[in-house]
Amino acid sequence: NAGVTQTPKFQVLKTGQSMTLQCAQDMNHEYMSWYRQDPGMGLRLIHYSVGAGITDQGEVPNGYNVSRSTTEDFPLRLLSAAPSQTSVYFCASSYSIIRSGANVLTFGAGSRLTVL
Amino acid sequence: KNQVEQSPQSLIILEGKNCTLQCNYTVSPFSNLRWYKQDTGRGPVSLTIMTFSENTKSNGRYTATLDADTKQSSLHITASQLSDSASYICVVSDRGSTLGRLYFGRGTQLTVWP
Repeated sequence: NAGVTQTPKFQVLKTGQSMTLQCAQDMNHEYMSWYRQDPGMGLRLIHYSVGAGITDQGEVPNGYNVSRSTTEDFPLRLLSAAPSQTSVYFCASSYSIIRSGANVLTFGAGSRLTVL
Repeated sequence: KNQVEQSPQSLIILEGKNCTLQCNYTVSPFSNLRWYKQDTGRGPVSLTIMTFSENTKSNGRYTATLDADTKQSSLHITASQLSDSASYICVVSDRGSTLGRLYFGRGTQLTVWP
């Protein structure tokens, strides 16, 4: 099993450019999510999905779009990159965190994005 | 306001020594608490999960404790190794919503010196 695969690992963008961070999991997990991690801050939830065709906003959704056309893939789109979006982005998946939150999150290795 | 606070922010210890990391939370209603280890340049990996009824749980050299009355948890690392150098993140889940929202601490950065 590959687990959660994120691409690219590193990316440099200019302000105003758009790009997509890819996330794929091969564990048949229902729940997928995107987080950003900034120095001195905890992981913050951007968007999440509880199944194919269902997405919802997290704590910091502005400037980001997501879609979930298949169970395996959950891409994160930056529509018009801004320097404030410089961060490390993590995709995470779980069988489900419905009700109990007891299921463990499996994280990808991260994508480091720099916006100039 | 639901929050998770971790202390210390950073810690340096010598190889072979023990250490304890703290996590205080105000999340309510509480569902469970999980400790994750995040190596530099990698994603977090779960070490252990604590539910309301559990006081202590061990995973090798890692022992987590939970006091649900005082809303405190600790992660004790015994006989530290260089590979223990990482950020340790406390994550608390609530059961106040259908989805079970997760609250992340900012982590404790542990450095083990030879």
